[in-house]
This record gives sequence, C-alpha cells and structure tokens, in this order.
Amino acid sequence: ETGVTQSPTHLIKTRGQQVTLRCSSQSGHNTVSWYQQALGQGPQFIFQYYREEENGRGNFPPRFSGLQFPNYSSELNVNALELDDSALYLCASSLAGRGREDTQYFGPGTRLTVL
Amino acid sequence: AQSVTQLGSHVSVSEGALVLLRCNYSSSVPPYLFWYVQYPNQGLQLLLKYTSAATLVKGINGFEAEFKKSETSFHLTKPSAHMSDAAEYFCAVIYTGRRALTFGSGTRLQVQP
Repeated sequence: ETGVTQSPTHLIKTRGQQVTLRCSSQSGHNTVSWYQQALGQGPQFIFQYYREEENGRGNFPPRFSGLQFPNYSSELNVNALELDDSALYLCASSLAGRGREDTQYFGPGTRLTVL
Repeated sequence: AQSVTQLGSHVSVSEGALVLLRCNYSSSVPPYLFWYVQYPNQGLQLLLKYTSAATLVKGINGFEAEFKKSETSFHLTKPSAHMSDAAEYFCAVIYTGRRALTFGSGTRLQVQP
C-alpha cells in the first residue's frame, strides 16, 4: 500500500507567477484535502475534493483553486503569487463515507518560496 | 468559533521524564480528535485518534491520550521521553458536520539528555 506522495518537494517562484502542486492519494482513498502551513504555525485548511468535486473550502481567496482526477490524485493551483504564499503545502488523503471519522493521512509536503 | 488550543508552544523535558502536551477543543458535542507529529522538514504523521470507542487511546511510539468530555480536553502523554521524541506535536479536531481538520498552533517538544 503506497502512502501519499507530493511533487515537487521544493519550489521557488516570484511574485505574480502561477504554480501547480501535485498530490497522489493513498491507495483506496477517495478524498483529498489541501492545507497551508506557514512557518511556525499549524496547518490551515484550503479545500477538500471528494469524487472530483470541491467538498468544502477554508478562508482562502479564489486564486487558490484545485482539481481532483478520476484516479483521485489532485492538483493545487495558485495564481498571482504573493510573498505571504510562501509556506509548506500539505496534501492529505482519506476515505470518506457514512460513519467514518475521515482520518487524514498526510504527504511530505511541498515547500513553496515566493521571492 | 470552533478552535483548538494547545497550551505551551514549547515544552522541554529530560530524557526518561514524563511528557504531557495539552490540548483543549471548543465544542459541546465531542468531535473526532487526533494527535499528529511533525519532524523537521517533513509532513505530519498520525500518532493516535479518538473516535468515541474508548476514552483512553493508545498510539504509536508509546504515546497515549485521554479524552475528557467534562474538561473538553485531549491531552497527550508518554511515561518516559526519548531523544527521538523531539518534534512538533499538533492536536487536531474534526467537528461534527465538517470534514476539515482544525489544528492547534502546535507544541515543540525538546528532550534534554
């Protein structure tokens, strides 16, 4: 059983650019959640995808968008990058269903630096 | 607003001493509760979870946590700290009707030789 993988591990961009981060969910999982972890803080929920549909969104602007594919992998896209977007981006996969606690398993993260 | 509070951003213990990391949640309805650990430059690893089956939950690496509804707490303990336990620990909650994890601000555990 493979765990959650993310690519790339590190990325450096400049203000105004666009970035795409990728996540492959754990085998058998149908839900992917994305979190932003700024330095020294706890992760903040960006959004969640369930069966290719957005299934909840945190307090992030529309320039943060995502996709989930039929194989349940996912992308996070960020347009018009700002300096404050510099953070560790974490992807988590889970198996959503009635009665489950939706335990989320995290990937290693992508470290994004915006200059 | 629903939140998670971790008391103490930094905790330092001696090797072999008791580890106690505190977590309180804000809800009258018991949520699902989790503890994650994060080593430097890595993602989050699940230590343990509470899902209403038992109030004392045992996790990996000798950690355990006790759910106390009357105190809205879910404190993490380990009887004897090891140098390898040095890391950042996050308490997280899934509140009823939501699917997203709400995280505390984290507690950095330092283990002194």
